[in-house]
Amino acid sequence: NAGVTQTPKFRILKIGQSMTLQCTQDMNHNYMYWYRQDPGMGLKLIYYSVGAGITDKGEVPNGYNVSRSTTEDFPLRLELAAPSQTSVYFCASRKAKETQYFGPGTRLLVL
Amino acid sequence: ELKVEQNPLFLSMQEGKNYTIYCNYSTTSDRLYWYRQDPGKSLESLFVLLSNGAVKQEGRLMASLDTKARLSTLHITAAVHDLSATYFCAVGDSGGSNYKLTFGKGTLLTVNP
Repeated sequence: NAGVTQTPKFRILKIGQSMTLQCTQDMNHNYMYWYRQDPGMGLKLIYYSVGAGITDKGEVPNGYNVSRSTTEDFPLRLELAAPSQTSVYFCASRKAKETQYFGPGTRLLVL
Repeated sequence: ELKVEQNPLFLSMQEGKNYTIYCNYSTTSDRLYWYRQDPGKSLESLFVLLSNGAVKQEGRLMASLDTKARLSTLHITAAVHDLSATYFCAVGDSGGSNYKLTFGKGTLLTVNP
């Protein structure tokens, strides 16, 4: 099993550009999550999904969108990138009441 | 709203010493998770504590859970440099849905020679 994979690993965006961060898991987990982690800080939940076709906002959803058309994939869309979105983005997945498995992260720099 | 507090947030230890990281949470939950994050890396799962009185150990790390006190501890025995990392505790949603985990802010542990 590859676990949770994320692409790209690193990206530089210009202000106002858009991009999609990809996340795929091969563990047949129902629950998937997107977090951002700013330098020296903890995790902030952006969006989460409890199954295909079902998504909900976390604590910092503004400026982001998600979709969940399959169990495996949970892409995160950034529209009109801003410097405040410079961060490391982690995708995670889990089965109900079990531990979360995290992807390797995507480092995003918005200039 | 579920709140999770870790302390200390920063911990500098000497090799060979013992110390404990505390994780308090505000509402009822029946399971608690500990994660480790190395600098520049992702989070990896250390322990899942499922019930009151649960204790798990791996190497120099031992985690315990007291659901009545809403407290978990991560005890470090005879610290070594390789344990330097940030440690997060996380608690499932109260109310039984358990869809989301609420994470503490993390404890940055530095073990000095």
